[in-house]
Amino acid sequence: EAQVTQNPRYLITVTGKKLTVTCSQNMNHEYMSWYRQDPGLGLRQIYYSMNVEVTDKGDVPEGYKVSRKEKRNFPLILESPSPNQTSLYFCASSPPGVDEQFFGPGTRLTVL
Amino acid sequence: AQKITQTQPGMFVQEKEAVTLDCTYDTSDPSYGLFWYKQPSSGEMIFLIYQGSYDQQNATEGRYSLNFQKARKSANLVISASQLGDSAMYFCAMRDFILTGGGNKLTFGTGTQLKVEL
Repeated sequence: EAQVTQNPRYLITVTGKKLTVTCSQNMNHEYMSWYRQDPGLGLRQIYYSMNVEVTDKGDVPEGYKVSRKEKRNFPLILESPSPNQTSLYFCASSPPGVDEQFFGPGTRLTVL
Repeated sequence: AQKITQTQPGMFVQEKEAVTLDCTYDTSDPSYGLFWYKQPSSGEMIFLIYQGSYDQQNATEGRYSLNFQKARKSANLVISASQLGDSAMYFCAMRDFILTGGGNKLTFGTGTQLKVEL
């Protein structure tokens, strides 16, 4: 089944404890993105990647890192999480020339 | 900068009625795409419909249609014959092609919570 998977789906952590949210897609898509969703703000793009080893900042990159060593994986790294990073995170992927983005199921992160 | 505005935080509609969810956008890019996504209470993002800036016809997908008025920079979603399962949050989003270098950056609105009533 074609899909985007994220792990973990739910995470409660404490301030300053490094964490990684994984994202994987099995559709051989070039483009991948991370978004965060906050009430009243909609979804905002954190980082995106146009292909392996090609990443760029979105609208709200502060406090996040990403890497794209393999085409299928695009992990989101929070080196030192803070409570303002409590949010619902979505990974998405798409092939070039196709307008629809395929979203993962979301990861609900709480930073205490 | 690109901007999407959804001015209706919440809406109610009766079952079997049609409903229009508003979306206006702002961009300096002549080439762009407009999307609508549905987010039920379970949280996943479901793609509904897409309209390209050069498409001559308004997009339709089953009960969903996009009322695209380029001069007004509006891309309203029309849901016909509402069903209880349509109750969800709806997001309008835009992708600029030139400004993003062909990349896949989507700019989202703040969403409209739709509640379908019996």
